[in-house]
Amino acid sequence: NAGVTQTPKFQVLKTGQSMTLQCAQDMNHEYMSWYRQDPGMGLRLIHYSVGAGITDQGEVPNGYNVSRSTTEDFPLRLLSAAPSQTSVYFCASHGSGTGSGANVLTFGAGSRLTVL
Amino acid sequence: GQNIDQPTEMTATEGAIVQINCTYQTSGFNGLFWYQQHAGEAPTFLSYNVLDGLEEKGRFSSFLSRSKGYSYLLLKELQMKDSASYLCAVTPSTDSWGKLQFGAGTQVVVTP
Repeated sequence: NAGVTQTPKFQVLKTGQSMTLQCAQDMNHEYMSWYRQDPGMGLRLIHYSVGAGITDQGEVPNGYNVSRSTTEDFPLRLLSAAPSQTSVYFCASHGSGTGSGANVLTFGAGSRLTVL
Repeated sequence: GQNIDQPTEMTATEGAIVQINCTYQTSGFNGLFWYQQHAGEAPTFLSYNVLDGLEEKGRFSSFLSRSKGYSYLLLKELQMKDSASYLCAVTPSTDSWGKLQFGAGTQVVVTP
């Protein structure tokens, strides 16, 4: 099992460029999410999805778009990159049901983005 | 507003015990998670508390007091590989367990 796979691992963009961070999971998890991690601030939720076709905004959604056309994939799009979006991005997924095990997040390895 | 506080850094020697405290003030509460994150890697799950009391998993234990908005993670018999950041996270609602609110993390440095 690959778990949660993110690509690319590293990316450098110029201000104003657009790009998509890819995320795929092979655990048949309904729930997927994107977080960003900045020094001294902890992980902050960007967008969230409870299933194919359903997305919701998190704490810091501005500047980012998401879609969920399949259960497996949850790409994050930066429409016009800004230096404030320089960060490490983590995709995560979890299953449904009762019990703590179903609700444990499995994280991807992260994507380090630098916007110049 | 939402607030999750934990110390920035703690240092301890190999074989010792370290306790990482976490206090939270959130609009709702339905569980508290602890994750471990080594430098340059993804967070990995350590423990979960939803009811008051102590949960023990090998060398790691986690405690929760909902009335006090307080949790701690106890690391016993410290090993060098325990040097990492430890993240406290709260899930505020039952309909979205994955919408966690994280503290900034506590960097634990284990010295020989």
